[in-house]
Amino acid sequence: KNQVEQSPQSLIILEGKNCTLQCNYTVSPFSNLRWYKQDTGRGPVSLTIMTFSENTKSNGRYTATLDADTKQSSLHITASQLSDSASYICVVRDNYGQNFVFGPGTRLSVLP
Amino acid sequence: EPEVTQTPSHQVTQMGQEVILRCVPISNHLYFYWYRQILGQKVEFLVSFYNNEISEKSEIFDDQFSVERPDGSNFTLKIRSTKLEDSAMYFCASPELDSEPTANYGYTFGSGTRLTVV
Repeated sequence: KNQVEQSPQSLIILEGKNCTLQCNYTVSPFSNLRWYKQDTGRGPVSLTIMTFSENTKSNGRYTATLDADTKQSSLHITASQLSDSASYICVVRDNYGQNFVFGPGTRLSVLP
Repeated sequence: EPEVTQTPSHQVTQMGQEVILRCVPISNHLYFYWYRQILGQKVEFLVSFYNNEISEKSEIFDDQFSVERPDGSNFTLKIRSTKLEDSAMYFCASPELDSEPTANYGYTFGSGTRLTVV
């Protein structure tokens, strides 16, 4: 069964610090992996999209990595800001259909 | 930047009542998706819609649900007889580029409709 797992479930860090969020998936065959940021009560907003051949992709202070062999991805946030407080969702798409498999998300809280 | 607009932002309804959630996707796009997120749980796929037809649906999308494109631009998600467990955020999503579904483009999500069934 296609699944996406994320860790940690929640994370609290101080403003200015870095953090790394993890994503493991069993989706096969793999098409692409996306990281989304979801503010409370809002729709997810895309941060990065990575295909099989990409190992690293950056979007400002966000850097995503992908190891397609081990089926793992990480999202690294540098110099965190209060506005980074949100849920970060890993989403994996398979090569068959149009469906996405969503992870449960990591709830990040950045404190002053 | 293209937007996906959803209305209403919040709807409260009594159990057993019908509700209609509305979405205006990115203009002229043929692909369209509905998702839901029960409070505290992960986002779940409901249905995808292509060129005025359902192309894929999940187990959640049973006979209680229907999706339509009544006027060529707006999309609606109808729940015929709501249950308490239908309480959730409902999101519509539209691809940023209206191309084949296996392409590696981004998706724009609407801000959601919070449905509360009492």
